[in-house]
Amino acid sequence: DGGITQSPKYLFRKEGQNVTLSCEQNLNHDAMYWYRQDPGQGLRLIYYSQIVNDFQKGDIAEGYSVSREKKESFPLTVTSAQKNPTAFYLCASSPRTLLVDGYTFGSGTRLTVV
Amino acid sequence: LAKTTQPISMDSYEGQEVNITCSHNNIATNDYITWYQQFPSQGPRFIIQGYKTKVTNEVASLFIPADRKSSTLSLPRVSLSDTAVYYCLVGDINTGGFKTIFGAGTRLFVKA
Repeated sequence: DGGITQSPKYLFRKEGQNVTLSCEQNLNHDAMYWYRQDPGQGLRLIYYSQIVNDFQKGDIAEGYSVSREKKESFPLTVTSAQKNPTAFYLCASSPRTLLVDGYTFGSGTRLTVV
Repeated sequence: LAKTTQPISMDSYEGQEVNITCSHNNIATNDYITWYQQFPSQGPRFIIQGYKTKVTNEVASLFIPADRKSSTLSLPRVSLSDTAVYYCLVGDINTGGFKTIFGAGTRLFVKA
């Protein structure tokens, strides 16, 4: 079955550490996205990529970094510069246009700073 | 970017029809309207999409008036499993999803 896989499901980070969240899709989608969701809030765009080897900052990119070396993969690194990283992180993918079925989301990674 | 306004929350009972209205007064000519459903600790899931008039699928109906400044998601005969957050998105689907904005959504709570 085609889909988008995020791992791990739960992640704990110590203060000052960098952590990397994995996102892999086998839908042959061109575009991939990272969103952050805080309790009771909507989704906020961190980074997006429309094509391999290219990505753009979203609304809240500070303290995060990404890479897009392969079409299938779009990992997100939460750096120590992100002052409040505890949140639910969602990865999504889409065709270049959203005409059919829109975004496909992964099941999310819940990151907690300990 | 078209801003959307939805009720923060709604309550319903099993078996009732639920209508959630979204306002988008500055919708652009090329913008489509898309609704997503999100359960706790999961990613949002596409429900329905439309441009004008009425769209129906196996899950819901979407009503869009002629001026397109609002839209209504209709869920027929809801069940407890329809308890979720529903997001209304407006954007030009031909220029990429990065320009669409997820607001806080509408929390629907279905009671027995």
